[in-house]
Amino acid sequence: DGGITQSPKYLFRKEGQNVTLSCEQNLNHDAMYWYRQDPGQGLRLIYYSQIVNDFQKGDIAEGYSVSREKKESFPLTVTSAQKNPTAFYLCASSSLPGRDDYEQYFGPGTRLTVT
Amino acid sequence: AQSVTQLGSHVSVSEGALVLLRCNYSSSVPPYLFWYVQYPNQGLQLLLKYTTGATLVKGINGFEAEFKKSETSFHLTKPSAHMSDAAEYFCAVSVGDMRFGAGTRLTVKP
Repeated sequence: DGGITQSPKYLFRKEGQNVTLSCEQNLNHDAMYWYRQDPGQGLRLIYYSQIVNDFQKGDIAEGYSVSREKKESFPLTVTSAQKNPTAFYLCASSSLPGRDDYEQYFGPGTRLTVT
Repeated sequence: AQSVTQLGSHVSVSEGALVLLRCNYSSSVPPYLFWYVQYPNQGLQLLLKYTTGATLVKGINGFEAEFKKSETSFHLTKPSAHMSDAAEYFCAVSVGDMRFGAGTRLTVKP
């Protein structure tokens, strides 16, 4: 059963702690993405990667870091430098943009609450 | 750079009524266009997409959208709303990377 998994579904952390969100895909997609979703603001791109060991900043990368050591995995770390980390985080994957089969497939999301 | 605007953050319809969710895009080159649906506390699911070819695109759950280049629009319609259609809907445009609209929350009244 192909798809994207994100864990955990809900995550609670104290302010000042780093936290890592997991994202794994078995769709054999080259590209992976992290988005942040806040009420009324749609999806904002944090980071994306089109190849192993390479990634690019999106619109709101400050306070976040990623790695892409394997094609299947794209973990996101929310650092203590992120001023307002409480949000719903979505991971997605796709074939490379521009292909006819291009579309982004989304995981179920992780809701992070920092107090 | 491409962008997308969804007109109306909230739309309310009665069960059985027409659903019309509006999306306008801006792009200097022919874009790919998408509609996604999101149920509470879940990820996004693709409803339909336009890449090239036929401008009227049919998707899942009875939804369809028409690409109108002259109007730079990609509005989503469904002839008869069902209670299960209540969700948030996102229009997206892609020329290279993908840009999402702010979303439209659809409420269906019994």
